[in-house]
Amino acid sequence: ETGVTQSPTHLIKTRGQQVTLRCSSQSGHNTVSWYQQALGQGPQFIFQYYREEENGRGNFPPRFSGLQFPNYSSELNVNALELDDSALYLCASRLDQETQYFGPGTRLLVL
Amino acid sequence: AQKITQTQPGMFVQEKEAVTLDCTYDTSDQSYGLFWYKQPSSGEMIFLIYQGSYDEQNATEGRYSLNFQKARKSANLVISASQLGDSAMYFCAMREGRQAGTALIFGKGTTLSVSS
Repeated sequence: ETGVTQSPTHLIKTRGQQVTLRCSSQSGHNTVSWYQQALGQGPQFIFQYYREEENGRGNFPPRFSGLQFPNYSSELNVNALELDDSALYLCASRLDQETQYFGPGTRLLVL
Repeated sequence: AQKITQTQPGMFVQEKEAVTLDCTYDTSDQSYGLFWYKQPSSGEMIFLIYQGSYDEQNATEGRYSLNFQKARKSANLVISASQLGDSAMYFCAMREGRQAGTALIFGKGTTLSVSS
């Protein structure tokens, strides 16, 4: 158990809709990162939040946005869903530069 | 150029045997970290082992060891005495530098199958 939880576990949406995925970080971890993992691929970095501010972003469009809250929880929001957004979404938390610990992921299917 | 290369799409090993999963990396940073994660079919990424670029000793964690060859830019994972529960996808990852905002860069993974 990593102490990182995600909800929901599975989600089905249609193209054009919006989705919010949630993550609860391990207590005390001030950094949360989100990754997208397409089938058969390694995870790709979406963005990272440190003390409620975004401080790193991968090659993802602005329709991918996020929030981090003081209670160590965070959200990933995706607007105008596309078929290619179907993937496993992983959040990971850490304290400063220490090891990242991942949650179980949310499987998103866009139809 | 890929930052992390895992050339073995799949590996097969029998129980109790040792297995080496290959990983090469590409970076111009002097300070970086190398990680191995295990991903069972359930999807969760499980941290296995970490090697810092300045660490002189190879990292070990129980049955896992990391064969770090800095000059060759390789960071192979060695699993000793394989168990059926080791069957999973294994990812090598790198964090470059130590600045805030640095993310993990993952390879494409290697599927390990352990048979009895």
